[in-house]
Amino acid sequence: AQSVTQLDSQVPVFEEAPVELRCNYSSSVSVYLFWYVQYPNQGLQLLLKYLSGSTLVKGINGFEAEFNKSQTSFHLRKPSVHISDTAEYFCAVISGNTPLVFGKGTRLSVIA
Amino acid sequence: GAVVSQHPSWVICKSGTSVKIECRSLDFQATTMFWYRQFPKQSLMLMATSNEGSKATYEQGVEKDKFLINHASLTLSTLTVTSAHPEDSSFYICSASQGAQKTEAFFGQGTRLTVV
Repeated sequence: AQSVTQLDSQVPVFEEAPVELRCNYSSSVSVYLFWYVQYPNQGLQLLLKYLSGSTLVKGINGFEAEFNKSQTSFHLRKPSVHISDTAEYFCAVISGNTPLVFGKGTRLSVIA
Repeated sequence: GAVVSQHPSWVICKSGTSVKIECRSLDFQATTMFWYRQFPKQSLMLMATSNEGSKATYEQGVEKDKFLINHASLTLSTLTVTSAHPEDSSFYICSASQGAQKTEAFFGQGTRLTVV
């Protein structure tokens, strides 16, 4: 079965510093990859997705992610974070006809 | 992007009563809707997948008689938690996808259910 691993449950980072949130998936077949952000007591908002084509994907709020097939990774990056980026971030994958499978999430805390 | 509205955003109910949560796609037709449950500081766990006009497909371990899902139209799906108990307290989130495009799902804002 498909699985998604987010290696860091919590990532504290100072404001204006760069950040990388790591995500690895298990499937060896073609996949669609997503990053979502969740603010407290809210649903999920799509940050970016990889379906095909360029492996570097740019999303909203200055985030980007790179699909690395050989390493089965889809790490999320931002060169300079803001206080408002404090939230929970979920990596998710679809392979074949399966619904979205989510990782356990990474809590990004931006420190002033 | 497409908008999915979930109602209510929070609800408190007494143990033993039933609660209905609505999920509406406001500007597109959602042939498939998904219901998730999220425990505090945990990920989303898929409960069931519903296709318009047919019975929902429940994930292993989810009681279909406890969590009734109806997808009567292309813009509305409902989740009814029957005979709720405190352990059913959780954050419930729906998502919807357009047509056969399962590569992107749009999420509602979630419903915080507290059973007392």
